[in-house]
Parts: sequence; structure tokens; C-alpha cells
Amino acid sequence: QSALTQPPSVSAAPGQKVTISCSGRSSNIGNNYVSWYQQLPGAAPKLLIYDNTKRSSGIPDRFSASKSGTSATLGITGLQTGDEADYYCATWDSSLTAGVFGTGTKVTVL
Amino acid sequence: EVRLVESGGGLVKPGGSLRLSCAASGFTFSSYIINWVRQAPGKGLEWVSSISASSNYIYYANAVKGRFTISRDNANNSLYLQMNSLRVEDTAVYFCARGFLTVTNFDTWGQGALVTVSS
Repeated sequence: QSALTQPPSVSAAPGQKVTISCSGRSSNIGNNYVSWYQQLPGAAPKLLIYDNTKRSSGIPDRFSASKSGTSATLGITGLQTGDEADYYCATWDSSLTAGVFGTGTKVTVL
Repeated sequence: EVRLVESGGGLVKPGGSLRLSCAASGFTFSSYIINWVRQAPGKGLEWVSSISASSNYIYYANAVKGRFTISRDNANNSLYLQMNSLRVEDTAVYFCARGFLTVTNFDTWGQGALVTVSS
């Protein structure tokens, strides 16, 4: 099962903005909801965004997401050192009848 | 507090078997899809399997199909993953994760159980 494609890494200075792309196909992102996860070192992943654009409980509005066609994007504004983590997108693939994660993106705060 | 706790991880030889458990508390377990997700050392997340609330629908990743079996006991708020014919490439931390509204909205995760397949 092919993973969704994310850039390996993105970086920016504190207070700046980063965006993370997640590319798939019509059978997954194109026709299913996308969710986004933050994984801090040594910890379990944490749900940030569900149903393409909805923030999970307790997630600040510095985190936002969108979806267009077969791609999705996570944005983080007002970057903080605590945002340094790995970020993953996920969705369902209707053709494979399987879940699929993105390849993961490491966010570095310079 | 909504909680998932995995157990049963360990070291096993290639070709061996292991059974993981996931104990749920703090929510109505029988109302939710539950999933297994794994993460090999230093690698990304990989979806493994999902089971619907009443076990009517079960799905597996191609990499584990025919070797792994997911099941649940709603009376005891427990999820299981029976892993047979284990391979070195199955070495990973295995997380159980609750599905919220849709299968892949994983809103609650356990701490993970390490499975090491090595001779």
C-alpha cells in the first residue's frame, strides 16, 4: 500500500509559518476525509485535525488545514519551539479498503 | 479519562507468534471503531488493521493480511491482535487507536507495545 507523499522536512524561525503538503490520489484523499497528527519524540501521535479542517479538542488555532482535490495541507502559524515534531497526514483508501498514512514531515524551529 | 493501554509485546523469533492486547477505559468501547497502527524503529506510521464496533467489518493492510487477526471483546473492553508467522520487518511499536467519526480519525492512542522479531 503506497503512503501519501509529504516533504521530509520543513523549517522556519520562531513566530513564522510553515505549511506541510500531503499528496494522494482520488481513491484516498480525493474521496475521503483527511486527518493530521503531531508526534513528539518518544510519544504517541496526537490528533490535530480531523475531517479535513476541524481542530481536535484543545488544539490552538495556530494549526489549520485544508484540502483540495487529491492534496491536503497543514499550516502552523506563530511557530514555537514546542512545535518541533513529526507530522503525519492520514486518510482511508476506498480502493484498497485500507488506512494510509503520509510519509511524515519533520518540523524544525530554527 | 479516555484511555487505551497496550500489553503483550516482546521478543519473538521469526516465524513465531505473539498476541497483543489493548485495554480500554473511560468511554463506551462497544460504540467505536478501533485500530492497530505500528511504527518501525526510526520510521513513519503504518496502519495495520481496523475493526468496527460490532466486529462486522474488519480490514487489514496487505503487509499483514493472512498472518494477523484483529478481534475485540466488548464485554471486557478489550482489543486484540494475534500475530502469526512473524517476520523481521514486523518489528515495531504497535499502537491501538480509537476511530472518531471515521476510521482514520484516530483521536485516542495508547502508549504502544514494542514487538521485536529477531533470531
